Amino acid sequence: DGGITQSPKYLFRKEGQNVTLSCEQNLNHDAMYWYRQDPGQGLRLIYYSQIVNDFQKGDIAEGYSVSREKKESFPLTVTSAQKNPTAFYLCASSIGGGVLAKNIQYFGAGTRLSVL
Amino acid sequence: QKEVEQNSGPLSVPEGAIASLNCTYSDRVSQSFFWYRQYSGKSPELIMSIYSNGDKEDGRFTAQLNKASQYVSLLIRDSQPSDSATYLCAVSSGSARQLTFGSGTQLTVLP
Repeated sequence: DGGITQSPKYLFRKEGQNVTLSCEQNLNHDAMYWYRQDPGQGLRLIYYSQIVNDFQKGDIAEGYSVSREKKESFPLTVTSAQKNPTAFYLCASSIGGGVLAKNIQYFGAGTRLSVL
Repeated sequence: QKEVEQNSGPLSVPEGAIASLNCTYSDRVSQSFFWYRQYSGKSPELIMSIYSNGDKEDGRFTAQLNKASQYVSLLIRDSQPSDSATYLCAVSSGSARQLTFGSGTQLTVLP
């Protein structure tokens, strides 16, 4: 089955702890994205990557870090600097292709992060 | 700051009626427009995409785009209780075609 797999489904963070959310895709997509969704809100872009070994900050990158060492994988680390991490985190991917592409993004099932 | 505004909800319609969802965007050079449906506790799923002015129909769904007015809408005909969800409008712009999302409109279809 082709798709985007996020794990874990639920995650709990202790004070001062860094946690890493996993995102893997087997769609052969070039571009990957991380969003945060707070209750009753839309999605806000944290980081995105258009190619391996390259990524850019989105609108709310502070307190987060990412890596893109493989095309299939785009893990997100929520650091202790993120003081309000409780949210629904969504990973997405798209075929990419630059400004001529239609850039349809497909989403994983999400990870719910809570603070203990 | 790019903004995407959706009509405030929640919106309730009776079963079989037409539901109309609206969205305006601030970035005049936006290129692509999407409607996602999100059930409670789930991730968004794409239901419509539209790239040029006019109407695009897919089954019971019709997306309408007016770039001059910076306005995109979604009509759901013959609404069903299973259509009850939050509908997110998303607009793509910039060199990386990143999406900016509205805050969503919650739709309830009453049996």
